[in-house]
Amino acid sequence: NAGVTQTPKFQVLKTGQSMTLQCAQDMNHEYMSWYRQDPGMGLRLIHYSVGAGITDQGEVPNGYNVSRSTTEDFPLRLLSAAPSQTSVYFCASRRQGLREKLFFGSGTQLSVL
Amino acid sequence: EDKVVQSPLSLVVHEGDTVTLNCSYEVTNFRSLLWYKQEKKAPTFLFMLTSSGIEKKSGRLSSILDKKELSSILNITATQTGDSAIYLCAVEFNTNAGKSTFGDGTTLTVKP
Repeated sequence: NAGVTQTPKFQVLKTGQSMTLQCAQDMNHEYMSWYRQDPGMGLRLIHYSVGAGITDQGEVPNGYNVSRSTTEDFPLRLLSAAPSQTSVYFCASRRQGLREKLFFGSGTQLSVL
Repeated sequence: EDKVVQSPLSLVVHEGDTVTLNCSYEVTNFRSLLWYKQEKKAPTFLFMLTSSGIEKKSGRLSSILDKKELSSILNITATQTGDSAIYLCAVEFNTNAGKSTFGDGTTLTVKP
């Protein structure tokens, strides 16, 4: 079972560059989400999706875009990278409904210079 | 504004000690409270609590929810070095999306 797969594991960008963080899950989960984690802080929700074609903003959506064309994939796009976006990014998924836990990918360490 | 606050932010203990981690929340539309353990990378699930006063246990770890006080505690008895990790508390909202808000975590270090 692959679970939630994130790529790449590490990325260094220059200010102003764009890139896409990939996230795929093979558990047929309806709900998928992206979090960022800064040092000494918990996870902050960037965007989430409750199914293909449906996305919504979380707590810190500025500078990021998402789309959900399939149940399996939920890519996160950085439009014009800024040093403030240096962080560890986690993708997570779960089934919709009550009493469902999140399954996390292994994270992407992103540095923006 | 919805808030989840964990305390202490960090804790250093010795093997064999018992620790209590705290999580308090101020959220609208509470559905459940979850505890996760984060070692090197991705958080992994520990407990989900939905009803007040019911204790969840798994080995040396246990957790309880107090909906009147809007808080939860996570207890770890007879700590081991392998318990060293960041412990994250998350509150899930009772909406269609069921999105979660996380606290800042408690970093636990267990020394031999």
